Amino acid sequence: DAGVIQSPRHEVTEMGQEVTLRCKPISGHNSLFWYRQTMMRGLELLIYFNNNVPIDDSGMPEDRFSAKMPNASFSTLKIQPSEPRDSAVYFCASSSRRSNTEAFFGQGTRLTVV
Amino acid sequence: AQKVTQAQTEISVVEKEDVTLDCVYETRDTTYYLFWYKQPPSGELVFLIRRNSFDEQNEISGRYSWNFQKSTSSFNFTITASQVVDSAVYFCALSEASGGGADGLTFGKGTHLIIQP
Repeated sequence: DAGVIQSPRHEVTEMGQEVTLRCKPISGHNSLFWYRQTMMRGLELLIYFNNNVPIDDSGMPEDRFSAKMPNASFSTLKIQPSEPRDSAVYFCASSSRRSNTEAFFGQGTRLTVV
Repeated sequence: AQKVTQAQTEISVVEKEDVTLDCVYETRDTTYYLFWYKQPPSGELVFLIRRNSFDEQNEISGRYSWNFQKSTSSFNFTITASQVVDSAVYFCALSEASGGGADGLTFGKGTHLIIQP
């Protein structure tokens, strides 16, 4: 398996623009997570899905952030409008609740908002 | 609320020394999972180990070993005979038991380990 695939790997955008981050989980995994990593706050869970349904979005910082999982093989994290303080590395991870596996992480997307 | 504390922000040792990374956790759950992940300079997060709260047996994997003590809420990680390739940021994490990680992880702030040649 290719692992969790995130795109793009790097994104530079101007303040106010919409940003969409993409994630393809490992085939067969039914849980998907979005994390954000910053120097100040470390690794934070933003939202997670089980069987494509959002379970806990309490970590989403504000309404500018939204996440979707239209099917078992794809998820997006959207920021609209983006702000410089959104600059971070965003990780997607997946796991199998059925098989009780640990979470496998993608390579991350480094977002820079200027 | 869950909390993971890694008090050591940065540790620097000379190659071949043994080094222990500390992790203290807080949770109200009676069943939970503990994890260690490694983040090398390339940035990816690499899974190292998962333990559930019912299994306090220490684990050894090559030069790596883990000491889980529920009495002190600690899950410490020791690298024996450290090597330069061990240089990375190491994260301890905690999750509720219902998914083994499928409910999301609470991470510590990480310990930056520097192994000098």
